Amino acid sequence: EPEVTQTPSHQVTQMGQEVILRCVPISNHLYFYWYRQILGQKVEFLVSFYNNEISEKSEIFDDQFSVERPDGSNFTLKIRSTKLEDSAMYFCASRTSYEQYFGPGTRLTVT
Amino acid sequence: AQSVTQLDSHVSVSEGTPVLLRCNYSSSYSPSLFWYVQHPNKGLQLLLKYTSAATLVKGINGFEAEFKKSETSFHLTKPSAHMSDAAEYFCVVSETEYGNKLVFGAGTILRVKS
Repeated sequence: EPEVTQTPSHQVTQMGQEVILRCVPISNHLYFYWYRQILGQKVEFLVSFYNNEISEKSEIFDDQFSVERPDGSNFTLKIRSTKLEDSAMYFCASRTSYEQYFGPGTRLTVT
Repeated sequence: AQSVTQLDSHVSVSEGTPVLLRCNYSSSYSPSLFWYVQHPNKGLQLLLKYTSAATLVKGINGFEAEFKKSETSFHLTKPSAHMSDAAEYFCVVSETEYGNKLVFGAGTILRVKS
């Protein structure tokens, strides 16, 4: 069964560094998403992406965040200058119709 | 704005007994509602969805949920718990039928005792 994959599973970085989180959505899906979950808090929507552009973003998704679909398979989330409060589990999702299929997540730890 | 309240952060049941995970929602639109499950080190998996059709929705692994508009509830049930049901469960609302932006509840951790 096709699934969404994410790499790395765990990323440790120093404050101020740039990180790129990678996702491979299911191949025939057209809509892509990033969510995050800070430890002990709810899963929060960050951004949705369709037809090579952002279709919606939350207030969390400020100028330090960007998304890209650099080729036909990958979907990336870049954080330009990480802060301690960016430490969270980041989930990628994709869909073609109703259901959003989620990846296993990348745990980002900013020290 | 949409929001979801899961009334229990932890639920513990014995194997073979019924499961009830409670969820209340708030939505200014006609909502679409979902239950997702997350097993340790796995992605979020859709259990079932309500999208304005039948109010009693059946999902995978014997789970079902009933949409009650008058009570703004969407509780998840299963007649008989299995050890493999132990996981975290999320009630989710979307403002559109196609589930674009999803709004998650805080999650309920289900523990199943043998």
